[in-house]
This record gives sequence, structure tokens and C-alpha cells, in this order.
Amino acid sequence: GNSVTQMEGPVTLSEEAFLTINCTYTATGYPSLFWYVQYPGEGLQLLLKATKADDKGSNKGFEATYRKETTSFHLEKGSVQVSDSAVYFCALSVRNTGNQFYFGTGTSLTVIP
Amino acid sequence: GAVVSQHPSRVICKSGTSVKIECRSLDFQATTMFWYRQFPKQSLMLMATSNEGSKATYEQGVEKDKFLINHASLTLSTLTVTSAHPEDSSFYICSAGGLAGGALVYEQYFGPGTRLTVT
Repeated sequence: GNSVTQMEGPVTLSEEAFLTINCTYTATGYPSLFWYVQYPGEGLQLLLKATKADDKGSNKGFEATYRKETTSFHLEKGSVQVSDSAVYFCALSVRNTGNQFYFGTGTSLTVIP
Repeated sequence: GAVVSQHPSRVICKSGTSVKIECRSLDFQATTMFWYRQFPKQSLMLMATSNEGSKATYEQGVEKDKFLINHASLTLSTLTVTSAHPEDSSFYICSAGGLAGGALVYEQYFGPGTRLTVT
């Protein structure tokens, strides 16, 4: 089946620290992969995406590379800021499943000054 | 990306009453809309998928008579929580699916969510 396994949180980092949030997946077809961010009290916003193997999605200093050989899509940022504090969700979609999205459990990130 | 709005953003209702939540895609036509429920500090749980002009497909364990979904147009879907009870209190999020803005990949565009509190 289709599923996403995400690193459990919460994660607490000091400002300017390096961030990695691990995400691995299983899929019956060829998935597109996404990272969404949810700020407190808000809905989800697309952070970045990748649609094929070796693609790198990037946005706002965050990056993730679609690794088919390891079925992973780890999120990284070289220097986090307090404003990055949020919950991050890894997700996949496979077209032959009606475009349904499968979400990881979310990882809460808190960045302290 | 596309813009999806939800109304209301917060609602408090008494037990036994019904509440309607609207989800609108503002700048593209969404043939499919999804409704999610999110409990505190948890991930999104897909409740149902609705296609414009047809009946919604509910996920296992979701009561279709309690959570009424209507998708009458390509830009509007509604979720009605009927005879609400305190255990229905949650954060409800909709999303509109499609290829918006020249995108080559099917994406879901999320609304900001509706916080429902049943007293």
C-alpha cells in the first residue's frame, strides 16, 4: 500500500542550527512527494515538492531530494530561524489512487533564540 | 499556488445543533475536494473525497449521515456536521485538488481550517 513514515518529534533546535527531518515512504505506483508546513492555528501550506527520482525540491532555504533507491524524501535546512517553528508534514500522492494524499504523522519543530 | 478559503474559521455550537462549513476554491475549478479532520498534535485524517456533482466517498469509520458533504459546483464544497456532540470538536480542513496555475503535477491546495467547538 501507500504510506509515509516520518521522524517523530518534537524537535527543538537553537537558531542557526542545521535541521533534518527524516521521511520515508512506500508506494504502489510512482509517487509525487511533498512537504507541507502548518503554523499554529492555520491550515497546511505547500513547502516544496518533487515529482521524480533525483528531483530536488527547494523553498525558503528548505530542501528535500527524491531518493528512489532509499525511498526517502528527507527535509533539510542549513540554518533555522525562530520563524520556522511549525509542524512539518511529509506526504505523497499516486495518480492511480484518485490523487489521494497520504500524510506522515507530522514533526513539530521549535526553534529557540 | 491556488487559493482555498474556508468559512467560518471558528465556530462554537451547542450540542445537538448542526454546523455547516464552506470550502471555496477561489481561482481554479476543483473537480475534487477533500475533507480532513485533525486532532490536537496529530496528523490529518482523511474523512471523505467529493467529486463535483456526485456523492462523496467516505473513508472507513466516518459516518456519512453525520458528516454531510455537498459538492454542488467546481468552486464550492460544504461539510455539515449534523447533531454535533462534544466529541466532534476538532479542526476541520478542506483541500481542493487539481492542476492549478499551469502546474504539471496534481496538487492539493489546503484551506486555512475551521476550528469547531461543541459545548
